[in-house]
Amino acid sequence: ETGVTQTPRHLVMGMTNKKSLKCEQHLGHNAMYWYKQSAKKPLELMFVYNFKEQTENNSVPSRFSPECPNSSHLFLHLHTLQPEDSALYLCASSQPQGSESNSPLHFGNGTRLTVT
Amino acid sequence: GQNIDQPTEMTATEGAIVQINCTYQTSGFNGLFWYQQHAGEAPTFLSYNVLDGLEEKGRFSSFLSRSKGYSYLLLKELQMKDSASYLCAVTSQGGKLIFGQGTELSVKP
Repeated sequence: ETGVTQTPRHLVMGMTNKKSLKCEQHLGHNAMYWYKQSAKKPLELMFVYNFKEQTENNSVPSRFSPECPNSSHLFLHLHTLQPEDSALYLCASSQPQGSESNSPLHFGNGTRLTVT
Repeated sequence: GQNIDQPTEMTATEGAIVQINCTYQTSGFNGLFWYQQHAGEAPTFLSYNVLDGLEEKGRFSSFLSRSKGYSYLLLKELQMKDSASYLCAVTSQGGKLIFGQGTELSVKP
């Protein structure tokens, strides 16, 4: 149990489907993140939310749409994805990063997404 | 640009010591993390360095030299369960965490 729960663990979707990934954390953190992990590549930061406000969008295509209704929940809405979007999508939480605080990220187990 | 380099793969023997290196070039520096990730699982936090020197935590130690843009993770008394990917990550200006591609460590009997 990592304290960060992601569902579903696996998802196969067609290019015309709409689906959502869900993340929930029970650690009392105020920052939440979406990362993309592809084989043989570094973890890529997608979005950052601090106190429910989006503070980072790392040039992510609009077919990925995040939603953060509260500090404990984070969603990633997916629409008209491409096969190259197939990857492991990891959610993480921490206290907000800053010049005086570097709280380690706590990751969920990820959603393995396959786009056909 | 921002760049973090670490070896792609390493192999070591059970009971031995292995050192995984990480070099970085980032805009600003506010600390360096090491994470461990077993296949199919979440990355888990191992260590954090912000000042030069060695931080020891049981069988694992992490070293940082800010002037050289260099860190290493030292694993002692290797066990089979240490086979995993080890991720180096740097907090750059503005608190943005940037990851290296990870080092896949295989521990052999």
